[in-house]
Amino acid sequence: GENVEQHPSTLSVQEGDSAVIKCTYSDSASNYFPWYKQELGKGPQLIIDIRSNVGEKKDQRIAVTLNKTAKHFSLHITETQPEDSAVYFCAASNPDYKLSFGAGTTVTVRA
Amino acid sequence: GAVVSQHPSWVICKSGTSVKIECRSLDFQATTMFWYRQFPKQSLMLMATSNEGSKATYEQGVEKDKFLINHASLTLSTLTVTSAHPEDSSFYICSAEREWSSYNEQFFGPGTRLTVL
Repeated sequence: GENVEQHPSTLSVQEGDSAVIKCTYSDSASNYFPWYKQELGKGPQLIIDIRSNVGEKKDQRIAVTLNKTAKHFSLHITETQPEDSAVYFCAASNPDYKLSFGAGTTVTVRA
Repeated sequence: GAVVSQHPSWVICKSGTSVKIECRSLDFQATTMFWYRQFPKQSLMLMATSNEGSKATYEQGVEKDKFLINHASLTLSTLTVTSAHPEDSSFYICSAEREWSSYNEQFFGPGTRLTVL
């Protein structure tokens, strides 16, 4: 089955700086890569996703890149704000549409 | 759009009782819904895939007789934890799959905190 690894497990950044989270996956058939933000006591919220036919996607301060050859994808958050503090999960979906999640990254934005 | 609700948001029950959790897609139809379990500071663990009008598919190690899933309509799936015990205490999260081209996006509910005394 699919194995998704996520790094780092924790990330502390100064407000205004950028945050980068990296994930790798094992199943070359995976074709959909969403990123979720989870705040304490709440369900995961989809913040951005990328399909296998695209290399990069940007939505305001959030961007995701995908390298299918190397089987890794990354989340970039620019100009971080305190409200960006949360746990972020990457995931990969293969053609049977099951999501495999990374272990999560706890992001803390210092004011 | 793409809102998923769960009810209740939290529940406390006595050991041996059964608890039902509802998952609803509010503004889209979902042929497929998923149930996850999440322990503190851990990732989401898929328990089962719920398909409207058919039996759920359970992941390896998940007891189907303990975690009963019913997907009776395109907007509602229920998870019943039968004869609950303290080790069943966890955060249960559902997601609903919105069909979109060749990729099916999953949208998550807010979760249900189950505490079994």
